[in-house]
Amino acid sequence: ETGVTQSPTHLIKTRGQQVTLRCSSQSGHNTVSWYQQALGQGPQFIFQYYREEENGRGNFPPRFSGLQFPNYSSELNVNALELDDSALYLCASSFGLAVYNEQFFGPGTRLTVL
Amino acid sequence: AQKITQTQPGMFVQEKEAVTLDCTYDTSDQSYGLFWYKQPSSGEMIFLIYQGSYDEQNATEGRYSLNFQKARKSANLVISASQLGDSAMYFCAMREIMIYNQGGKLIFGQGTELSVKP
Repeated sequence: ETGVTQSPTHLIKTRGQQVTLRCSSQSGHNTVSWYQQALGQGPQFIFQYYREEENGRGNFPPRFSGLQFPNYSSELNVNALELDDSALYLCASSFGLAVYNEQFFGPGTRLTVL
Repeated sequence: AQKITQTQPGMFVQEKEAVTLDCTYDTSDQSYGLFWYKQPSSGEMIFLIYQGSYDEQNATEGRYSLNFQKARKSANLVISASQLGDSAMYFCAMREIMIYNQGGKLIFGQGTELSVKP
């Protein structure tokens, strides 16, 4: 059983560019959440997908968008990158939406915006 | 609004000793879930322990236990017999409850950096 994987591991972009981050959920998991973690901070919730539908969103502007595919893998897209978007982006997967369900996190993608 | 507060930015503990990491939370919900995660320097969040708001017993997982005091809204993590590999950032988090009792986002605290001394 493979865990949650994310790609790429590191990424450097310039302000104004667009970026796509990818997440493969753990086998059998149908729920994916994305978090942004700035240096020295706790992760902040971006959005959650359950069976290909977005079912929760945090306080992030519309230039942060996502997708979940039929195999439950997911993408996070960020348009018009800003310097403050530099952060570690974490993806977490779980099976279903029960409160007690453990969310398994991937290793993250470290994005640097210059 | 729901909030998690971790007041200890950094903690030191001697190897083989126990350590308590503090966490207080604020919510008006009756039903919620509390989690602790460990984040090594590699960045991955590692699940440690879960406590449901209706659980009467404190959760335990190996060397980890959660001291849950509902009236005080605290959920402290106790690590017994600290090991050098326990050195990491530790985050307390609360799971939001959405409609139909579905679990929503995790709300994280600022974290506590634990350093274990040999």
